[in-house]
Amino acid sequence: AQSVSQHNHHVILSEAASLELGCNYSYGGTVNLFWYVQYPGQHLQLLLKYFSGDPLVKGIKGFEAEFIKSKFSFNLRKPSVQWSDTAEYFCAVSSSGGYNKLIFGAGTRLAVHP
Amino acid sequence: DGGITQSPKYLFRKEGQNVTLSCEQNLNHDAMYWYRQDPGQGLRLIYYSQIVNDFQKGDIAEGYSVSREKKESFPLTVTSAQKNPTAFYLCASSISQGEQFFGPGTRLTVL
Repeated sequence: AQSVSQHNHHVILSEAASLELGCNYSYGGTVNLFWYVQYPGQHLQLLLKYFSGDPLVKGIKGFEAEFIKSKFSFNLRKPSVQWSDTAEYFCAVSSSGGYNKLIFGAGTRLAVHP
Repeated sequence: DGGITQSPKYLFRKEGQNVTLSCEQNLNHDAMYWYRQDPGQGLRLIYYSQIVNDFQKGDIAEGYSVSREKKESFPLTVTSAQKNPTAFYLCASSISQGEQFFGPGTRLTVL
């Protein structure tokens, strides 16, 4: 069965620090990969997605993620975080083709201190 | 303004009662989904529907039921058979193979 593992449940950073959130998935076939963000009191929204092509994907608000197929990973990065990045981040995977079922990781709660 | 609406935002239910959560979308998406979010567990899929009048069980369908009579609407009923219904429920929609767009959620509390 597909599964998604996010290594860090809670991350605390100071503003301007660099961020990397780990995400690994288990699935033998071709996948689509997503990072979603849930800001306090707001809808879950898409940060970025990978379907095919360049494995380095750029998203909104300066976030990027790199798909490393050999490591089954899709880590999220941002070179310099801001207080407004405080949120919960979810990695998700779906199999290409077939039903568009998303499997989510448990989430990483990020707190950025000014 | 296109999007997904869920109502109500907060819902309280007594044990033994069924309750229905509303989800409506005007994005013209074929597919709709229901997830349950619990702290530290991410989102888990309850039911999904690829097309009107068709739906499939997700990973945690026991104690829930859905219908999909219209493209725009995908209501979720939490039945008295659901052993631990207190949670945050999220509805989403998508085109067949695309990103999913999420509603604001309904927080259900069983008293």
